[in-house]
Amino acid sequence: DVKVTQSSRYLVKRTGEKVFLECVQDMDHENMFWYRQDPGLGLRLIYFSYDVKMKEKGDIPEGYSVSREKKERFSLILESASTNQTSMYLCASSLVSPSLNQPQHFGDGTRLSIL
Amino acid sequence: KQEVTQIPAALSVPEGENLVLNCSFTDSAIYNLQWFRQDPGKGLTSLLLIQSSQREQTSGRLNASLDKSSGRSTLYIAASQPGDSATYLCAVKGGSEKLVFGKGTKLTVNP
Repeated sequence: DVKVTQSSRYLVKRTGEKVFLECVQDMDHENMFWYRQDPGLGLRLIYFSYDVKMKEKGDIPEGYSVSREKKERFSLILESASTNQTSMYLCASSLVSPSLNQPQHFGDGTRLSIL
Repeated sequence: KQEVTQIPAALSVPEGENLVLNCSFTDSAIYNLQWFRQDPGKGLTSLLLIQSSQREQTSGRLNASLDKSSGRSTLYIAASQPGDSATYLCAVKGGSEKLVFGKGTKLTVNP
């Protein structure tokens, strides 16, 4: 089974702090994703990486950056945390497929609160 | 721009009932559609993936259908159980690896 592990289930940080959310997958997947999930807004893609050191902006990249130095690890960085970044953050991974028919597999999420 | 809608937002049924969850999408040019389950405070668990060339997929008591031309998918749950209570999300994949999600249907199965 695919295992996507997010380093923290719950995290509390202060406004202005630099925050790192870590995600590791154990199935040698090329693609990795960061989403945030908010009531009434659903899941929104923040960033996507299709290979080491490669990244692509999603729908809401403002205030975030990412790092992918190794294939198995994808980090989401909040450069200067703000209260409107309080949310549930979900990481996912998938295999590359020419037919785009591989499923995405998700971690358990990180509930981040910015005070 | 692709939009995915799930109606109703919430559904409550008695145990043992067969039920159908609906998902619609505006752009029929999709590669696949994926159904997920999400328990409160948890991540998403993949249930079924239907490729654009398929009409349905089955896993145990779950059956998902896809009508690409009309932009609709349904998730059928047979003989529902209290353990099926969760939020069910559908997502479509278009011309890239990105998924577009619906906002989900919150299902409650009452004992």
